[in-house]
Amino acid sequence: SYVLTQPPSVSVAPGKTARITCGGNNIGYNSVHWYQQKPGQAPVLVIHYDSDRPSGIPERFSGSNSGNTATLTISRVEAGDEADFYCQVWDSSSDHYVFGTGTKVTVL
Amino acid sequence: QVQLVESGGGVVQPGRSLRLSCAASGFTSSSYGLHWVRQAPGKGLEWVAVISNDGSNKYYADSVKGRFTISRDNSKNTLYLQMNSLRAEDTAVYYCAKDGEGHEFDYWGRGTLVTVSS
Repeated sequence: SYVLTQPPSVSVAPGKTARITCGGNNIGYNSVHWYQQKPGQAPVLVIHYDSDRPSGIPERFSGSNSGNTATLTISRVEAGDEADFYCQVWDSSSDHYVFGTGTKVTVL
Repeated sequence: QVQLVESGGGVVQPGRSLRLSCAASGFTSSSYGLHWVRQAPGKGLEWVAVISNDGSNKYYADSVKGRFTISRDNSKNTLYLQMNSLRAEDTAVYYCAKDGEGHEFDYWGRGTLVTVSS
């Protein structure tokens, strides 16, 4: 089955840039979606189709995808961005949906 | 606005059964696939199952295949998850989620907690 690997944690100072990677075999050929989950809350879609922001998501959130790595970038990080982030793809070979291992973003 | 509201969670003994429901509103639910996604305490997200808009296609994670059944009643705008032969490792918050155009989960419910314990 398809595996997506994320770093367990990323720490960033307020106002700086956080980058969260999502590694998978030839992930660049898939559409990658990203979710933010704050404690005790349901996940929220923050990036879909690699780099598109759903309505209501701040421009500070952006994404890219190429080769074996997709990246979620959070610019001008705020304390309210502290959360767990998950990448996700659809595996067309099995019609299964796959989540990454998750990354906890801590704002210092 | 889109709303997904799960219900039916609770404490159940290993080997027993439980049925979850998810009431959909604010969109034409019969036009979209719907999913169940779960999250064990302190763990990451795990996709469980998906059902197509008309119920004709269903896919399951290997961890639940043969034990769980996803279904829907479009006349009631409701999604179901029948969970049989429950195990301790099925303990999790179960979320209902709407399928987006690009195979993403564009809307989520708040979840319902299932605890499998003797």
